[in-house]
Amino acid sequence: DQQVKQNSPSLSVQEGRISILNCDYTNSMFDYFLWYKKYPAEGPTFLISISSIKDKNEDGRFTVFLNKSAKHLSLHIVPSQPGDSAVYFCAATVSGSARQLTFGSGTQLTVLP
Amino acid sequence: ETGVTQTPRHLVMGMTNKKSLKCEQHLGHNAMYWYKQSAKKPLELMFVYSLEERVENNSVPSRFSPECPNSSHLFLHLHTLQPEDSALYLCASSQKIGQSDYNEQFFGPGTRLTVL
Repeated sequence: DQQVKQNSPSLSVQEGRISILNCDYTNSMFDYFLWYKKYPAEGPTFLISISSIKDKNEDGRFTVFLNKSAKHLSLHIVPSQPGDSAVYFCAATVSGSARQLTFGSGTQLTVLP
Repeated sequence: ETGVTQTPRHLVMGMTNKKSLKCEQHLGHNAMYWYKQSAKKPLELMFVYSLEERVENNSVPSRFSPECPNSSHLFLHLHTLQPEDSALYLCASSQKIGQSDYNEQFFGPGTRLTVL
């Protein structure tokens, strides 16, 4: 049973518009969440993270929102650029848990010029 | 070299072969990881190594054998693999920060393994 789920395998967005990628989790013990981006033939690259003591974290064009009651997080990219086209993975962990991340299956984002 | 490097990038092997995957991190981190990514599936943690401990996913078959000779190098020894072991194998590293180590792991490019 997947504890971290990304229910949309793909998403297409027009350049300049907002991209919203969603992630749901089931384990209420998770208290730290991360987003990774992966280009073909490369390993995942850390993008942004959020602790459960916050409900929002922003870094440039990227904002992550956390709704603990709904066990849901989302990544907003504004404005979207063609270079953002990649697979986005969300991951979750319990702090102090021997550094084990649980990943979702990823969402392929395509930003159309 | 910078970041996390993995060799080889591609590997094709028969079920009776023995091979090893190598990972090296140049970030001064003190924890290293092996992940498996099969098609359309989430990354699956296989092993974690740090100075204090080794943690493994109990579902990993014994035909996968990790070795961590020091904090910068990690190997994954493969023997008598099955075709379903074909996948992308990713190495990662991170730095433990006290008791509350938040896991910003840095990944290598992966080794694409095909078992015939």
